[in-house]
Amino acid sequence: QKEVEQDPGPLSVPEGAIVSLNCTYSNSAFQYFMWYRQYSRKGPELLMYTYSSGNKEDGRFTAQVDKSSKYISLFIRDSQPSDSATYLCAMSAMGGFKTIFGAGTRLFVKA
Amino acid sequence: GAVVSQHPSWVICKSGTSVKIECRSLDFQATTMFWYRQFPKQSLMLMATSNEGSKATYEQGVEKDKFLINHASLTLSTLTVTSAHPEDSSFYICSAPPGGADEKLFFGSGTQLSVL
Repeated sequence: QKEVEQDPGPLSVPEGAIVSLNCTYSNSAFQYFMWYRQYSRKGPELLMYTYSSGNKEDGRFTAQVDKSSKYISLFIRDSQPSDSATYLCAMSAMGGFKTIFGAGTRLFVKA
Repeated sequence: GAVVSQHPSWVICKSGTSVKIECRSLDFQATTMFWYRQFPKQSLMLMATSNEGSKATYEQGVEKDKFLINHASLTLSTLTVTSAHPEDSSFYICSAPPGGADEKLFFGSGTQLSVL
């Protein structure tokens, strides 16, 4: 079993839709949870960063962490064609442990 | 946010030559940097952890003599692919944690290496 599971998609939605991206994990020591957006042939860009459980909102993006279920989500409201990219979840434990990445979900937002 | 600069973006080389990729932290000091390899439609594969002033730590299965890493200053790490072969063709990305801990990572723009 992988430490982090993420559906690779692809996920195709119409413009304006609400997108839900998810990851599950098995290591209860994870405390830091990140979402990265990666455009084709570019480095990942940090979108959301959450420590421990809870919600965090930034513009059209909302990140949720449910540590009891070992489940994290990223919601994108009013999706735009420019949101078409691969979204990677990532997480790490305290104390300088390595960041573990999900496989990435490819998202296509159709105009 | 913190800025990590990676050069070159693209490199094409002949088989048997060596290629150097640079990763710089522009507005923070990075005692640690990470090097990844990414194949098409796949996630990031950590190759090695670059440590300023000491030897790099390589992941299992990564040839340290093939992928030479040097972290000579607090803002620069380099990855040299030695005697490159077509199977080394890939997308290479570096990252660094501004906070010093392996949590919030900022990535370079990546380098597409094509070995002919």
